[in-house]
Amino acid sequence: QQPVQSPQAVILREGEDAVINCSSSKALYSVHWYRQKHGEAPVFLMILLKGGEQKGHDKISASFNEKKQQSSLYLTASQLSYSGTYFCGTANSGGSNYKLTFGKGTLLTVNP
Amino acid sequence: GAGVSQSPSNKVTEKGKDVELRCDPISGHTALYWYRQRLGQGLEFLIYFQGNSAPDKSGLPSDRFSAERTGESVSTLTIQRTQQEDSAVYLCASSLRGSRPTDTQYFGPGTRLTVL
Repeated sequence: QQPVQSPQAVILREGEDAVINCSSSKALYSVHWYRQKHGEAPVFLMILLKGGEQKGHDKISASFNEKKQQSSLYLTASQLSYSGTYFCGTANSGGSNYKLTFGKGTLLTVNP
Repeated sequence: GAGVSQSPSNKVTEKGKDVELRCDPISGHTALYWYRQRLGQGLEFLIYFQGNSAPDKSGLPSDRFSAERTGESVSTLTIQRTQQEDSAVYLCASSLRGSRPTDTQYFGPGTRLTVL
């Protein structure tokens, strides 16, 4: 079942923060976050596992809420380079680790 | 190059023709995936190869779609008798193994297929 991402789109000014959510109707085992710029390949950001702690690098971090079956991606002090479409890919508990189901994406635009 | 490569980058074909899309995974990666991305949509899983195991073809939308992989190298996705609804970007990804939940999938640049 396809995870639901929200919001669908967000526009920021450089330096502002954003949160992107990824919700599943099924129990999650892992959540993979990717960023895709127009016309380019999706680029891996991070993986979160059930029972794992919040992860992050640079000013991008993510959390995994098992009870809510949701992951959130946090972008702080956004930079122009953060612009792109963010996708979450989920693997459900009891399913195959490799078979990710991706959300429709969240388009993030960072303006100067 | 060190990344996943795909060819051609763009393909325009007429309805009813067959097309072949190629993927070269990262050297040493035993797992290979094909996805379809329609305009404004997420990535749709098509097929998964892992080493010499039987591929997981559960995502292929119809019997017009097939894929092969030679050992742990090149893969070809074939679409027969193309339809306009097949128009999409076809993305290939590879990972070191694929069986572990922490395996990162690295994507190629994709092939944009347009069926007229």
